[in-house]
Amino acid sequence: QQPVQSPQAVILREGEDAVINCSSSKALYSVHWYRQKHGEAPVFLMILLKGGEQKGHEKISASFNEKKQQSSLYLTASQLSYSGTYFCGAIQGAQKLVFGQGTRLTINP
Amino acid sequence: EAQVTQNPRYLITVTGKKLTVTCSQNMNHEYMSWYRQDPGLGLRQIYYSMNVEVTDKGDVPEGYKVSRKEKRNFPLILESPSPNQTSLYFCASSTGTSGNNEQFFGPGTRLTVL
Repeated sequence: QQPVQSPQAVILREGEDAVINCSSSKALYSVHWYRQKHGEAPVFLMILLKGGEQKGHEKISASFNEKKQQSSLYLTASQLSYSGTYFCGAIQGAQKLVFGQGTRLTINP
Repeated sequence: EAQVTQNPRYLITVTGKKLTVTCSQNMNHEYMSWYRQDPGLGLRQIYYSMNVEVTDKGDVPEGYKVSRKEKRNFPLILESPSPNQTSLYFCASSTGTSGNNEQFFGPGTRLTVL
C-alpha cells in the first residue's frame, strides 16, 4: 500500500516555506525523499532511518516520527530551483520500495 | 560517468507485439528495479532484483517479465503489450541488496501501446 502524501500540490512565492507530509498505514522503518523535475528522472534527496534523526540537504530538511508513521519534508526560503514533484518512499518487507503519489511544488518569482 | 541507461527512450507499438526495454548500470550495484509512472499514481514498482538470478514482484507485476542474468543488466519484457501499459517507465539501481539505499534512476522510457 502506497504512503499518502499531502498536500497533492502547493504553489509558493520564492522565499516562502513549505511542508510536505508523508504518512503510512504500515510501520515505517525508513523514509526516502526524492525530487523530480518536469521531464526528468527522480533524484535522491535523503533517507531517514528509525530513531527520529533529522537530515538535511541544503535548505531542505526532514523529520521522521516512527510512532506516528509519518515523515515531513521542510523546504525553507524556497528557491525557483525547488520546483518539481516530491515523492516519499517507504520500505515494505525487506527489499520493496513503495512511493507515495507525489506532491507537485510550484515556486513563482 | 556513473549512470543508468535505458533504451529505447521513446517507443510506440501496437497491442500484442512483444517488446523489451533494456536497462544497464555501470556502478556495480546489486539492487535494480523497474517502476512505472502514471499521472496521479506516482511511481509504482513493477519488479526488483536483489542480485543476479534473484528477482521478485513489486506492486504491479502483471503483464511484465524481467531477467537478471548479469549484474549490470535488467531488461523489462512485455510479452503481449496492451494499451493499459502505456506509461513512463524508469529503471533504477542502488548499492546493497535491499531497496533501502539511494536509488539512481535512468532517464526513463515513454511507451505508447496503440
